[in-house]
Amino acid sequence: KQEVTQIPAALSVPEGENLVLNCSFTDSAIYNLQWFRQDPGKGLTSLLLIQSSQREQTSGRLNASLDKSSGRSTLYIAASQPGDSATYLCAAKGSQGNLIFGKGTKLSVKP
Amino acid sequence: GAGVSQSPSNKVTEKGKDVELRCDPISGHTALYWYRQSLGQGLEFLIYFQGNSAPDKSGLPSDRFSAERTGGSVSTLTIQRTQQEDSAVYLCASSRDAYYEQYFGPGTRLTVT
Repeated sequence: KQEVTQIPAALSVPEGENLVLNCSFTDSAIYNLQWFRQDPGKGLTSLLLIQSSQREQTSGRLNASLDKSSGRSTLYIAASQPGDSATYLCAAKGSQGNLIFGKGTKLSVKP
Repeated sequence: GAGVSQSPSNKVTEKGKDVELRCDPISGHTALYWYRQSLGQGLEFLIYFQGNSAPDKSGLPSDRFSAERTGGSVSTLTIQRTQQEDSAVYLCASSRDAYYEQYFGPGTRLTVT
């Protein structure tokens, strides 16, 4: 059974700092891995999708990497801004198509 | 284009009542998913539809939960005889096919009193 873990559970950084969020998964037989952002009281916004055959994806200040063999993905945020404050979730897609989510990392970027 | 929509956005109901939650997926998306997010818990998968059929119902927490999808589009999630532990945000997502990116709706916040 796939399990997804995110470390740390919470992170507070000063504005401008580069940071890395970690995600690990127990079953390497994934189809893809998706990173989401969730703002308080809101739904999920998709940030990046990495297919199982890919190593990384980039969108603006965000870069996500995937290492299936070690069961790890990282989300790198460059030059963090207060507007980046949110909960970041990673999710692994299994054989049935449903996503298995981690519990998220709550990020706070201080001005 | 229009995203995934859900209604109602908030629902307060008394314990023991039945509730129906609605999801309108993105037009043309064949795959539709229901998830639940409880306070302090992660996102929990409930059920998945491919077209009108539900090949994976493994996440439904009890037989009080059921879902249907008609015309390959709108889906309703029904919870019978609601319990306080059913209080959560119910999220719907759709994707072009089972292995494409999932797009989420804003959710329905259900409170059972």
